[in-house]
Amino acid sequence: NAGVTQTPKFQVLKTGQSMTLQCAQDMNHNSMYWYRQDPGMGLRLIYYSASEGTTDKGEVPNGYNVSRLNKREFSLRLESAAPSQTSVYFCASSGPSGTSTDTQYFGPGTRLTVL
Amino acid sequence: KQEVTQIPAALSVPEGENLVLNCSFTDSAIYNLQWFRQDPGKGLTSLLLIQSSQREQTSGRLNASLDKSSGRSTLYIAASQPGDSATYLCAVNSNDYKLSFGAGTTVTVRA
Repeated sequence: NAGVTQTPKFQVLKTGQSMTLQCAQDMNHNSMYWYRQDPGMGLRLIYYSASEGTTDKGEVPNGYNVSRLNKREFSLRLESAAPSQTSVYFCASSGPSGTSTDTQYFGPGTRLTVL
Repeated sequence: KQEVTQIPAALSVPEGENLVLNCSFTDSAIYNLQWFRQDPGKGLTSLLLIQSSQREQTSGRLNASLDKSSGRSTLYIAASQPGDSATYLCAVNSNDYKLSFGAGTTVTVRA
């Protein structure tokens, strides 16, 4: 049981380049999330997917797109990377009840630098 | 908008001392509150989840209290060990699936 996995672990991009961060969970959870973590600011929600086939904006969605490919996978895409998107990105999932009683489980993170 | 604050930002204690970590939030209409641990360069690990109807939760040496009316939670770690050194994050669920995080308290336990 791997939990939540993320690829890649590290990435360096030039301004304007695009890339997709991949996330998968094997816990049969309905809900999945993408956060970014910046020094001194805590984690901020970018997008979430309450269930397969649905996605919603979080606190900081500008410059990002997401795809809930199936129940297991939730990807985050940067279409035109900017230096302000340099951050550590975490994927998380929660379930199975889909209520406030669910704990969120986090992946190990992707460290992204945009030059 | 829910604002979550953790004070102090950093804490250093000798081994064996009890740790007290504070979390405050601005909107008392919450579903639950979670405490997470984060080791350097790693993801977050959930420690305790307290539902809004609960006053506290305990797991081993960890005890978390919740006072919803005053917008406060406290995480107690008894008899601290060097392995407890990490950053501890408080997160409040006040809008279905969305967690609002504090910036964390970085703890160093000196041997």
